[in-house]
Amino acid sequence: DGGITQSPKYLFRKEGQNVTLSCEQNLNHDAMYWYRQDPGQGLRLIYYSQIVNDFQKGDIAEGYSVSREKKESFPLTVTSAQKNPTAFYLCASSNFGQETQYFGPGTRLLVL
Amino acid sequence: QQQVKQSPQSLIVQKGGISIINCAYENTAFDYFPWYQQFPGKGPALLIAIRPDVSEKKEGRFTISFNKSAKQFSLHIMDSQPGDSATYFCAASVNSGGSNYKLTFGKGTLLTVNP
Repeated sequence: DGGITQSPKYLFRKEGQNVTLSCEQNLNHDAMYWYRQDPGQGLRLIYYSQIVNDFQKGDIAEGYSVSREKKESFPLTVTSAQKNPTAFYLCASSNFGQETQYFGPGTRLLVL
Repeated sequence: QQQVKQSPQSLIVQKGGISIINCAYENTAFDYFPWYQQFPGKGPALLIAIRPDVSEKKEGRFTISFNKSAKQFSLHIMDSQPGDSATYFCAASVNSGGSNYKLTFGKGTLLTVNP
């Protein structure tokens, strides 16, 4: 069963706490992406990675960090520096040289 | 600076009617225009996509119309069904270096199809 999995589905963060969102894909895709979705705002790119051990900032990278140690995994850490982290976070992947991105089911992050 | 403008923000259509969602872009370097469908609490799924060398693409009840000179494209849903009720996003893609393509999304349209 191929696809993109994100966990957990819901995540709660306390003030000043770092949290890590998981994204795994078994599509053998080279590129992976993290987006943030807020009501009425569409999807905004946080970070993306074309290959293992390499990643670039997107449009709203401040307060976030990523790693890409394995091709199939691209975890996102929401740090305490992100002052407004409540949002729906979406991970996506695409094949080498292809424009089409495939999305995971998302993680909803809530601040307590 | 919003590079892809989508309208309307919300749309209510009767069952069997035609739903039309419009998008306009600014960057003439965009060369791939997908539409995504998203149900509540789920990730977006690719619905249909078009390239600027084609003026129209149809897949079942879904059609993209593309006007390169006006820098506009639209999604038409024929014979709209209650199951089509979802949020629709247009997007545009440009090669951002190497083999990487960066998608820019519109803000979305919430479509409600009444039975």
